[in-house]
Amino acid sequence: EAGVVQSPRYKIIEKKQPVAFWCNPISGHNTLYWYRQNLGQGPELLIRYENEEAVDDSQLPKDRFSAERLKGVDSTLKIQPAELGDSAVYLCASSPPTGPKNIQYFGAGTRLSVL
Amino acid sequence: DAKTTQPPSMDCAEGRAANLPCNHSTISGNEYVYWYRQIHSQGPQYIIHGLKNNETNEMASLIITEDRKSSTLILPHATLRDTAVYYCIDILINDYKLSFGAGTTVTVRA
Repeated sequence: EAGVVQSPRYKIIEKKQPVAFWCNPISGHNTLYWYRQNLGQGPELLIRYENEEAVDDSQLPKDRFSAERLKGVDSTLKIQPAELGDSAVYLCASSPPTGPKNIQYFGAGTRLSVL
Repeated sequence: DAKTTQPPSMDCAEGRAANLPCNHSTISGNEYVYWYRQIHSQGPQYIIHGLKNNETNEMASLIITEDRKSSTLILPHATLRDTAVYYCIDILINDYKLSFGAGTTVTVRA
């Protein structure tokens, strides 16, 4: 079974440029999460989707961040414009419709460097 | 914010048991203890969870004290591939907000 797939693995951009990250969750997993992990810290939740609906986006900085999951499968997280402080690893995770939501399956992440 | 306390780092020898402590000073009666780990350049990986009783699976064992204020994750025979950051988390069942702290950086040495 394929795991959570994220692309690209690495991205280097200049500040004020836009950037997008893509995630394909494990097949059959209806819940999808985006996390941000700053250097030396644990991941922090940005947004959670149940199918195509964003049910918790309270931690998403809405002035520059947006996300979508149009068909309830893969998802895109966008930053426009990027700032120096956005440099971090962006992780996607998914969980199945049954079983505890505390068990989440993570992708390898996209490491963003904003210069 | 994380509610658990873990040592920042620890070393262990390959082939020996690794015992990773965690303090849960504010854990409530219906919160579970979850452990995840994160190998370098990978996302976090679920290891094990428990409520009151000790638990064991193919990856590790979890020992929870009777007062539930502390737990120990045991890797029975550590290998070099177990080198990672290990996180313990107190969380209500089906609460999806995993609050990762700084974790313990475990280095397994040959």
